[in-house]
Amino acid sequence: GAGVSQTPSNKVTEKGKYVELRCDPISGHTALYWYRQSLGQGPEFLIYFQGTGAADDSGLPNDRFFAVRPEGSVSTLKIQRTERGDSAVYLCASSLISGEVEDTQYFGPGTRLTVL
Amino acid sequence: DQQVKQNSPSLSVQEGRISILNCDYTNSMFDYFLWYKKYPAEGPTFLISISSIKDKNEDGRFTVFLNKSAKHLSLHIVPSQPGDSAVYFCAASATDSWGKLQFGAGTQVVVTP
Repeated sequence: GAGVSQTPSNKVTEKGKYVELRCDPISGHTALYWYRQSLGQGPEFLIYFQGTGAADDSGLPNDRFFAVRPEGSVSTLKIQRTERGDSAVYLCASSLISGEVEDTQYFGPGTRLTVL
Repeated sequence: DQQVKQNSPSLSVQEGRISILNCDYTNSMFDYFLWYKKYPAEGPTFLISISSIKDKNEDGRFTVFLNKSAKHLSLHIVPSQPGDSAVYFCAASATDSWGKLQFGAGTQVVVTP
């Protein structure tokens, strides 16, 4: 079946602009995660959803970052007043929520965001 | 603070030999560990995992070992193949912060013919 998809694959914007990044999870997966990966580092957790609600948003760096998942499937990560430091690859993952602790997250290809 | 550490940024190994990747963690609450593999311009791909109730898990050429007392895990790839050339990330999660994976910085593996 289809994996996690993310659009756009690349986004170039200017400092101060607003951007939206989209994630389509694997069909049937109820949990969805956002991570950010900077050059030379591992992915850094931002937020995760169980269904429509944000279960843990402790990784969002500040109030310029916001994410929604209104129907429990597709999610949008929104960044206001972008800064050059926001440049990174934004990764989305989804998982089945099997009820067990061993619930594997499957990642999409990411959106490379460049803020000029 | 970096709770998951991969201290070797790179590893070069000859085809057919064993690759050993190491990972250390500091949070004693971590109880589930994963390894992901990443090719350039792609997202991380799940490779293998291990729960804290085990000390070894094997899947084909890949074996993960967990030493809880040392807060250390390792990934063994035997035999190494050219297609294994990628960046490998170690990740961990804790039951009290379920869903929040914490990743190491990764190890670049190059398998030479």
